[in-house]
Amino acid sequence: SQTIHQWPATLVQPVGSPLSLECTVEGTSNPNLYWYRQAAGRGLQLLFYSVGIGQISSEVPQNLSASRPQDRQFILSSKKLLLSDSGFYLCAWRGQWGHPVPGNTIYFGEGSWLTVV
Amino acid sequence: DAKTTQPPSMDCAEGRAANLPCNHSTISGNEYVYWYRQIHSQGPQYIIHGLKNNETNEMASLIITEDRKSSTLILPHATLRDTAVYYCIVRVASSGGGADGLTFGKGTHLIIQP
Repeated sequence: SQTIHQWPATLVQPVGSPLSLECTVEGTSNPNLYWYRQAAGRGLQLLFYSVGIGQISSEVPQNLSASRPQDRQFILSSKKLLLSDSGFYLCAWRGQWGHPVPGNTIYFGEGSWLTVV
Repeated sequence: DAKTTQPPSMDCAEGRAANLPCNHSTISGNEYVYWYRQIHSQGPQYIIHGLKNNETNEMASLIITEDRKSSTLILPHATLRDTAVYYCIVRVASSGGGADGLTFGKGTHLIIQP
């Protein structure tokens, strides 16, 4: 079966410090990968998506970047965090058509809480 | 993706069926109806999805009207652990790449009462 893991689960970082959140997917190959952010009391916002190694598309301009060094690894980074980067960050994946269920359902990780102080 | 309308909150007694409505009157013929839920401080959990026919799995049933302009998610025997925000999303299930991520609205906060 397929699983998705992201870490760390919680993070408190000072303003101006770097960030690295990591996500890995097991049990599938060539997934689409996504990074979402959910600010306090707000909906989910798609930040980045990737259809393959080294292929990253950004949905919103921001202080963050994403990389995909391996097929099932997705990393969210920042060189200098801002207070506004605080939030709940979610990694997600979907398989190719029909796998593992009909259509191409998107599945989410457990999330990472980031507090910038 | 088509817009959806859900009530902001609902209550349901433990052990009873929870019926969560969703309106998607502008849905296109190639758009699926997806349901997710998000328990506080956790990632969204996929529940079920469908195109035209009613669907059932171990978690829930999805009833889609014949004109596909609305749907209902049914949790047959709600428990306290079903308290969560439930999101109804309509989306084209494309086979290619691209920005096919999900667009989440505000959902319905379902509260299961003991």
